Amino acid sequence: QQQVKQSPQSLIVQKGGISIINCAYENTAFDYFPWYQQFPGKGPALLIAIRPDVSEKKEGRFTISFNKSAKQFSLHIMDSQPGDSATYFCAAWHFNKFYFGSGTKLNVKP
Amino acid sequence: DGGITQSPKYLFRKEGQNVTLSCEQNLNHDAMYWYRQDPGQGLRLIYYSQIVNDFQKGDIAEGYSVSREKKESFPLTVTSAQKNPTAFYLCASSPGRSYTFGSGTRLTVV
Repeated sequence: QQQVKQSPQSLIVQKGGISIINCAYENTAFDYFPWYQQFPGKGPALLIAIRPDVSEKKEGRFTISFNKSAKQFSLHIMDSQPGDSATYFCAAWHFNKFYFGSGTKLNVKP
Repeated sequence: DGGITQSPKYLFRKEGQNVTLSCEQNLNHDAMYWYRQDPGQGLRLIYYSQIVNDFQKGDIAEGYSVSREKKESFPLTVTSAQKNPTAFYLCASSPGRSYTFGSGTRLTVV
């Protein structure tokens, strides 16, 4: 049973466009929600994270929107660049470990 | 520089062989984790350890074994009982609600 469901599986966006990746969860005990960015052949790296008492967090071109009642959160990448092309994972924390989404492969076309 | 070192970067295993993947961290994190990554399946938890000399099975522990004799080290052994070991293996450490990942080991059965 996958505790964090992520969509879409892949995404193609034109340079300068907005990339949006969505995640949904069921377990209301989750209390921390990060997004990780992974380039080919590398380990994932923390991109941005949010706590459930906040509805939005922005860091540069990256924004997390969090809807606690709907149990959904999303990553928005504004002004997407070819260098943003990577795989993105959402995650949720509970009881000493993260539960990860299945990943979204983003391709930003120049 | 603090971080996690995984070695080797590439590893080839013959049928019936046991192989050990190394993971070392100098971040002074108590918790360490092993994940397996397959295309389109995200990150699946194999084993994790919250403290020295203690570890717990994750979602896909069958065919794997670990030890945690030192805080800095959390080696993973892929045994011959693991029938489909070809994958990208990621080690992570955590002080809590944040993972630092290594660069991964790509294991291939030949």
